[in-house]
Amino acid sequence: NAGVTQTPKFQVLKTGQSMTLQCAQDMNHEYMSWYRQDPGMGLRLIHYSVGAGITDQGEVPNGYNVSRSTTEDFPLRLLSAAPSQTSVYFCASRPRGGTGELFFGEGSRLTVL
Amino acid sequence: AQSVAQPEDQVNVAEGNPLTVKCTYSVSGNPYLFWYVQYPNRGLQFLLKYITGDNLVKGSYGFEAEFNKSQTSFHLKKPSALVSDSALYFCAVRDDSNYQLIWGAGTKLIIKP
Repeated sequence: NAGVTQTPKFQVLKTGQSMTLQCAQDMNHEYMSWYRQDPGMGLRLIHYSVGAGITDQGEVPNGYNVSRSTTEDFPLRLLSAAPSQTSVYFCASRPRGGTGELFFGEGSRLTVL
Repeated sequence: AQSVAQPEDQVNVAEGNPLTVKCTYSVSGNPYLFWYVQYPNRGLQFLLKYITGDNLVKGSYGFEAEFNKSQTSFHLKKPSALVSDSALYFCAVRDDSNYQLIWGAGTKLIIKP
């Protein structure tokens, strides 16, 4: 069972570069989300989606874009990377109507120089 | 505002001793509470949840948590710690305004042989 798959696992960018973090799940979950994890700050929600074609902003959406064209995929785009976006990014999913239990990917560690 | 607090950055326990990782919360309605564990360089894994019912909730890997409404707490416990329990533990509560999870900052649990 693949579950939630994130790519790449590691990435180094220069300030101003763009990139996309990929997230795919094979559990037919309607809900998908992106978090960033920074030391001592827990997880902060960036964007989430409750189904294909529907996205919404979380706590820290600035500098990030998302789209949800299929149930399986939920890519996160950084249009112009900044050092403040250096973090570990996690994608998570759950079934629609679930009581909140999330299934997480292994994470993508991004460094912006 | 709804919030979650994990008052201890780190908890040290000797192997075989009982362990407790503390969590307190603040919500406007009935709380949906969760514990997740993160092993080094891995994604988060669901341990257990409280939705309603018995105040003592049992979860994965021998962990349990006690819901205390009067103290607004949801402490994670295990009767006998293992070295392999060493990890980062996160408490979370569901935000009833948007059904997203609000996360604590995490507690690093270190079990010494």
